[in-house]
Order: sequence, then structure tokens, then C-alpha cells
Amino acid sequence: DTGVSQDPRHKITKRGQNVTFRCDPISEHNRLYWYRQTLGQGPEFLTYFQNEAQLEKSRLLSDRFSAERPKGSFSTLEIQRTEQGDSAMYLCASSLTASRNEKLFFGSGTQLSVL
Amino acid sequence: TQLLEQSPQFLSIQEGENLTVYCNSSSVFSSLQWYRQEPGEGPVLLVTVVTGGEVKKLKRLTFQFGDARKDSSLHITAAQPGDTGLYLCAGSTVGTTSGTYKYIFGTGTRLKVLA
Repeated sequence: DTGVSQDPRHKITKRGQNVTFRCDPISEHNRLYWYRQTLGQGPEFLTYFQNEAQLEKSRLLSDRFSAERPKGSFSTLEIQRTEQGDSAMYLCASSLTASRNEKLFFGSGTQLSVL
Repeated sequence: TQLLEQSPQFLSIQEGENLTVYCNSSSVFSSLQWYRQEPGEGPVLLVTVVTGGEVKKLKRLTFQFGDARKDSSLHITAAQPGDTGLYLCAGSTVGTTSGTYKYIFGTGTRLKVLA
């Protein structure tokens, strides 16, 4: 068990470019979450999956954001036409099962800087 | 929109002092979790409280869930420099469109313990 893996760790891009992040959850974890975090603040919910099904997408997300989990294993988060306001840490978490005792395991995140 | 407000936002104390961090909401949560996050890393789960009024202890850390399940507190006794980090509460709630649990995070408390 190597934990939740996110790639890349850092991404610098120019405004208007598209970026894609990858998250590999802990094997056999069927739940996967994406959060966005700005410096010193708590993570903001973006979306989550149960297996390959996307359960909910935050209303705060514009149509420029899309996430997939095609085979219920790894997930990708794409941001199209990046803006400076997209600069943040993008965190992925996985868990084994849905419950109020659900334990989320987080990756180290992808730090995005939009110039 | 469900919000979890944490106070204080920042806290700088001397080694050996006690402190309490608060997590408050107007919404009821099925459970509440506390995480600690260090710079450049994802949050790590410390504890989950489920029952209103529940108290859990983890070495020098004491966690309490409010009777109405709307608030929680984290008390640290005899703080040490190793306790330095960003403390986050997270509440579990049933997603409006998914019908299953999801987690939203509080605004965070940044703690610095000076030697």
C-alpha cells in the first residue's frame, strides 16, 4: 500500500492553457474526492466519485473544470483555459466505503501556479 | 451552503501551554473529523467523532462533539513544537444530489508552538 499518489507535484502554466492532473487512489478504495485549497485555508470540495460514477460536482466549479474516473481506479482533473484564480493546491483523497466513519486518505497534492 | 467556521484562525503559543480550537456550524453533521496538515502535504486524519456529546482522547489531544452535532472542539494539553501545523475540522453530510456521504472542511486553524 503506497498511499494516494498525485502527479505532477507542481505545475506552472500560462493563463489560457489547459492542464490535467492525475490521482491514483489506494487500491481497492472505491471512493475518490477532489478538493482545492488555497494557502492557509481549508480544502474546498470540488467533486467525488464512487467507483466510476461521479456523484456530485460543486456548484462553485465552472464548466472549465472536468473530472473523470473511467475504470473506477485512477482519476483525472482537467482545467481548461486556466485563469490566475485557479492557482491553488489540488488535493485528491480516497476512502474504502461511504459511511459517517469514512476515513479519507489524502495525497500530497498538485500545486498549480497560473502566470 | 453548509459552512464550518474555525476559530481562532491563527494561534502562536509557547511550548507547554494549553489551547483550544473551535469548529462551529449552523448545520447538523452526521459525524465530525479532525485533521492535521503540514506544509506541502495532504491532511492526515486524527479522529472521528460520531455521537453528540462524544469525547475522544488521543494522547495530549482531546476532541469533543457538541450535543447538537453542530460544533466541535480540539483541546491540546502541554503543546509541543511537533504540534505545529494546520488543524482542520471536516463534517460529513449527505450530498444533495448523490444521496451519500461527503465531507466538507472548515476554514482551518494555523498553530505554531514555539520552543
